[in-house]
Amino acid sequence: DTEVTQTPKHLVMGMTNKKSLKCEQHMGHRAMYWYKQKAKKPPELMFVYSYEKLSINESVPSRFSPECPNSSLLNLHLHALQPEDSALYLCASSHDVVGQGPPDYGYTFGSGTRLTVV
Amino acid sequence: RKEVEQDPGPFNVPEGATVAFNCTYSNSASQSFFWYRQDCRKEPKLLMSVYSSGNEDGRFTAQLNRASQYISLLIRDSKLSDSATYLCVVNALGSQFYFGTGTSLTVIP
Repeated sequence: DTEVTQTPKHLVMGMTNKKSLKCEQHMGHRAMYWYKQKAKKPPELMFVYSYEKLSINESVPSRFSPECPNSSLLNLHLHALQPEDSALYLCASSHDVVGQGPPDYGYTFGSGTRLTVV
Repeated sequence: RKEVEQDPGPFNVPEGATVAFNCTYSNSASQSFFWYRQDCRKEPKLLMSVYSSGNEDGRFTAQLNRASQYISLLIRDSKLSDSATYLCVVNALGSQFYFGTGTSLTVIP
């Protein structure tokens, strides 16, 4: 299995809703990431989990709350979002966050959740 | 200064043309380099890693120049299906992966 699976693929939520994005990988990768991508921009790092522990939080507002229940799963809990939070949310995994290992160990991305906040 | 910089383009080239993109990085300790391809409204997908000695995969050639701190991607005999955004990604030991802003390529019939 060489995939990162994200659900749902599309999500429309109101500013008072609470929802969660889910990400799953079974490649034995020890690093998992959440990225946010706006149209015509590169992915913007939000959170990094390394060995199930949060290692990087790129000053993301608290209305985004990550969770890593186990080495294969990564969630992103959403609460009280703003319309400007509408974007493509990408989950990714890699063998190791510190870039060790063979040079062809890059990211594997999920297909993303397209989020619209109304 | 940004960690990774790319010319955003757009590059509009005719079918069959050869096109090259460069990407510069600021951290001399960077050790892993990748080119990703992203189609409109899709996730980025790994196109190829970039090895120190340079590497080729069919019509695609990637080069690394450590002295000048840049990587390049050469696409020969461009196809319509090569139209996409090409992102370079750089990683240093103990650091996160850094993305360039992406270079937009359109191959014209």
